[in-house]
Amino acid sequence: ETGVTQSPTHLIKTRGQQVTLRCSSQSGHNTVSWYQQALGQGPQFIFQYYREEENGRGNFPPRFSGLQFPNYSSELNVNALELDDSALYLCASSFSARGTDTQYFGPGTRLTVL
Amino acid sequence: SQQGEEDPQALSIQEGENATMNCSYKTSINNLQWYRQNSGRGLVHLILIRSNEREKHSGRLRVTLDTSKKSSSLLITASRAADTASYFCATDQNTGRRALTFGSGTRLQVQP
Repeated sequence: ETGVTQSPTHLIKTRGQQVTLRCSSQSGHNTVSWYQQALGQGPQFIFQYYREEENGRGNFPPRFSGLQFPNYSSELNVNALELDDSALYLCASSFSARGTDTQYFGPGTRLTVL
Repeated sequence: SQQGEEDPQALSIQEGENATMNCSYKTSINNLQWYRQNSGRGLVHLILIRSNEREKHSGRLRVTLDTSKKSSSLLITASRAADTASYFCATDQNTGRRALTFGSGTRLQVQP
């Protein structure tokens, strides 16, 4: 198991609501990336944070936002939830300014939007 | 969008047999990585191969990379029931984009 933890494990929300997902990086890692994985698909990159600054973003609308804290833990916030936001949300940490060497994934948060 | 495409989408073999999965991608890369995922849980990093490498081994895993064909293969030798999982290739594209781009995965079932 990696040292990356995520909370909560499962979450059920209704359309239009807002949600916050949390991630605690592996010790010593300063880069956190968030991915969305729809059922039966590979993960899709949402964004990445390096030393508390957004360091890259995928093709996701602005209602997906994030934060990284001084201890390098991170949050993913999604506003105005839509049914298509139902997915497994994965965070991954690494020690690389580029953030594309080996990444250590957490177990994920399963979000269901009704 | 998904950069890599794994082939086959699903593979079922008997314990002890070898499993080969292929990955194709579209743009030039810095490195290519293989990950494993059990039952919708987190991904586990298996192996990373850089663009200037052609083959890499780790235990029962063998990865090859052909940058001229933009393809990679993952071979698992002497498979075990515990190898049952989904396997994804992920590419670090040579575009400055700070993200891995994953394929859609191969679902491997190893029958005991």
